[in-house]
Amino acid sequence: LAKTTQPISMDSYEGQEVNITCSHNNIATNDYITWYQQFPSQGPRFIIQGYKTKVTNEVASLFIPADRKSSTLSLPRVSLSDTAVYYCLEENYGGSQGNLIFGKGTKLSVKP
Amino acid sequence: GAGVSQSPSNKVTEKGKDVELRCDPISGHTALYWYRQSLGQGLEFLIYFQGNSAPDKSGLPSDRFSAERTGGSVSTLTIQRTQQEDSAVYLCASSRPSGAYNEQFFGPGTRLTVL
Repeated sequence: LAKTTQPISMDSYEGQEVNITCSHNNIATNDYITWYQQFPSQGPRFIIQGYKTKVTNEVASLFIPADRKSSTLSLPRVSLSDTAVYYCLEENYGGSQGNLIFGKGTKLSVKP
Repeated sequence: GAGVSQSPSNKVTEKGKDVELRCDPISGHTALYWYRQSLGQGLEFLIYFQGNSAPDKSGLPSDRFSAERTGGSVSTLTIQRTQQEDSAVYLCASSRPSGAYNEQFFGPGTRLTVL
């Protein structure tokens, strides 16, 4: 049973800001939200993680509203190399992990 | 520093054979995860270890699948009597959870093909 829902694909152009939203309708109090990036034939790579409000690092921002029913990954000024699949994940906070379920992923295609 | 390594990188086997996949996590990482990814699909969680213990084995798809971790380090995923539907890339990740933060580091995966 999928815990998260995200768009299957998105298209963008170089230099644009891209926002990918994931729904977390059944998120638990102890869950935090993580986003991963995956290129073909590679394992996923961590992008950003948060519990609520806004988190920013050198590559992305993560927006989580007060009700935590969704999260939005924001990639500023994308380039061709940002073409990849992006996954959201709910993870248990500090305790033993239950069944970790990644979203089905959003395939982002960045065009010149 | 060294990342997560997995071996073999590719494994071709015949239906009905047993296979063993190995994961070497990053030194000092207490948590270790196994996932499966079929062609063009998302990641399917299999099992998680904290130290040598696996609190939740419910992600394993059948009793043909088992995993162990010894010494809080190396882990092996064993698939008995392989079936064609077991063909997939098996990914291992490790992490060192710290309070409000948990970053999983993934290995390159083992591509399993069951003929």
